[in-house]
Formats: sequence, structure tokens, C-alpha cells
Amino acid sequence: QKEVEQNSGPLSVPEGAIASLNCTYSDRGSQSFFWYRQYSGKSPELIMFIYSNGDKEDGRFTAQLNKASQYVSLLIRDSQPSDSATYLCAVRDGTGGFKTIFGAGTRLFVKA
Amino acid sequence: GAVVSQHPSWVICKSGTSVKIECRSLDFQATTMFWYRQFPKQSLMLMATSNEGSKATYEQGVEKDKFLINHASLTLSTLTVTSAHPEDSSFYICSARDRGVGNTIYFGEGSWLTVV
Repeated sequence: QKEVEQNSGPLSVPEGAIASLNCTYSDRGSQSFFWYRQYSGKSPELIMFIYSNGDKEDGRFTAQLNKASQYVSLLIRDSQPSDSATYLCAVRDGTGGFKTIFGAGTRLFVKA
Repeated sequence: GAVVSQHPSWVICKSGTSVKIECRSLDFQATTMFWYRQFPKQSLMLMATSNEGSKATYEQGVEKDKFLINHASLTLSTLTVTSAHPEDSSFYICSARDRGVGNTIYFGEGSWLTVV
């Protein structure tokens, strides 16, 4: 059973701080990795995707991927109260079927 | 950006009846769509992969005769919950793959189903 693991949190950070969210996955064949943000009662929205080892930056968000360690992270700089949400790590399997497996999510609270 | 629309957003039905949820890709063709279910404070659980023009592929433990999926066109997939029971009450979310944007997957807004 392919798994995606996340710390459920909640992770609480003060406004303006860096929030660090982590994720590990079990399928070594996975090729694509995604971070989604989900507000309560809403559908997930895509924040970033990353395919290659290393860092990928987009505005206040940086995704980090280490395939050898099967580890993905998301850093949120200058955290804002509006960033408070559940962050879902998602991994697409490597079979070519585009099936995406989600972690349980990490709840983030940004305190004003 | 790409938009995936789901309808209805909210539906309440009586136990034993069937409910159909539609998922449409509005500005791209989606050969593959996915259906998820999410219970409160839990993660998205993949139910099935819907492929245009062929039968859906169901995940282990998902009853294909209860959750009927039809993907008759490149922009529309439907999920029908048959003989619904209160335990089927959940948030149902579809997603669609956009081949033209690196196979990025976009989510619909989700549909809340309450079976009374």
C-alpha cells in the first residue's frame, strides 16, 4: 500500500515567521509531488508542484524534494493569518496512471 | 487557469435514493478524472479513476455497483451514489488531469452529500 505521511499538527507559528511542513512517501517510483492548501469545507487548491530534487521557489513558498530520502517539504515565508489552513502533500505514482495519493494533511495556524 | 466545476455543491437526499454528481472541465479536455471522498478531518481518499470512453478503475474497498462512474465525454464525468445510506454522507471531490499543462491535476469545488 503506497503511503504519504504527514504530521497532522496543528503547527502554530506567529505571523511573519517561517512555517515548515514535512512529508514522506513510500513509493520510490513516484515522480511528481504536489502541495495543496485546503480551507475547512472547501476543495484543495494547488500551491506548488515539484518534480526534481532540490528547491523550487514561488513567491513566499518553497518546495524541497529529496528523492533519496523520500522526503518533500514546504516552507512558507512571512506567514500570514490567511495561510491558516490544512496543507496536503500529494504524490503521483510512477506507473503512468496519474493516480495521486494524498497525505492526511497538516493543520497550520498562523497567529496574528 | 484551468477550472473544474462540480454540481451540485450541496445535496440532501433520503436514504435509499440515488444521487448524481457531475464534474466538468471547463476549459480543457480531461481524458482522466478522479473521484475522491473526504470525511470530516480526514484526508482525501481516492475512490476511482475515470477514463473517457472506458470503464472506471476502482480502488480497493470501493463498491463499483454502488458508486457508478460514467465518463462519456472529454469534459464530463459523473458519479452516481446508488441506494444512498447515511454513512455515504461525505464531501465528494473530483479532479481532472490537464494534459496541456504538464498533466497538472485540478480539483473541482466539491459536493457535500447528506443522506437522511
